[in-house]
Amino acid sequence: DAKTTQPNSMESNEEEPVHLPCNHSTISGTDYIHWYRQLPSQGPEYVIHGLTSNVNNRMASLAIAEDRKSSTLILHRATLRDAAVYYCILNPRGAQKLVFGQGTRLTINP
Amino acid sequence: DTAVSQTPKYLVTQMGNDKSIKCEQNLGHDTMYWYKQDSKKFLKIMFSYNNKELIINETVPNRFSPKSPDKAHLNLHINSLELGDSAVYFCASSHHGTGGERYGYTFGSGTRLTVV
Repeated sequence: DAKTTQPNSMESNEEEPVHLPCNHSTISGTDYIHWYRQLPSQGPEYVIHGLTSNVNNRMASLAIAEDRKSSTLILHRATLRDAAVYYCILNPRGAQKLVFGQGTRLTINP
Repeated sequence: DTAVSQTPKYLVTQMGNDKSIKCEQNLGHDTMYWYKQDSKKFLKIMFSYNNKELIINETVPNRFSPKSPDKAHLNLHINSLELGDSAVYFCASSHHGTGGERYGYTFGSGTRLTVV
């Protein structure tokens, strides 16, 4: 399973943008980049995914480097509800499972 | 409407007992999973079923036996429970994209199992 590297923890302030980095230098051409988050006492929740181009949805934006060796999840205006562990996951085309790493614990300060 | 629902939410039981956790999804997904999250919060896949067929068994002890009566249900039965089985168990489901990618993993809210 291709590996990703994320900071163990990050802190940000409410109503400010948050940029969560992820390195995946061994990514292959058929690996999709997925982001999930896990709020306290809940199951993981899909945030966004992409292959090569940047992606936007109502929750977040995903910026993918041109060489695809890194990506950044952008929360445009953090709220206290965004405090969670964020997982960056490489999911190969045809993969039958999602493999979680350690993730980044995001703390949002009021 | 809950997309992936699992019951019970909490389960406290004695060592040696047998217990089951049930999971149902109403998303029309073709694949279902069981994940285990231990006390260090590490999420690890246990089983995957695609259209009622076992696809993945990640070297889980034989005491754990999944059963999928149909595409929408995946239950987990655990025999002879041990202290080390204490964890949160998550059921999930996903479907196939047209590009061959698997996405839209949707997780239940978890079952906290405590073995005493």
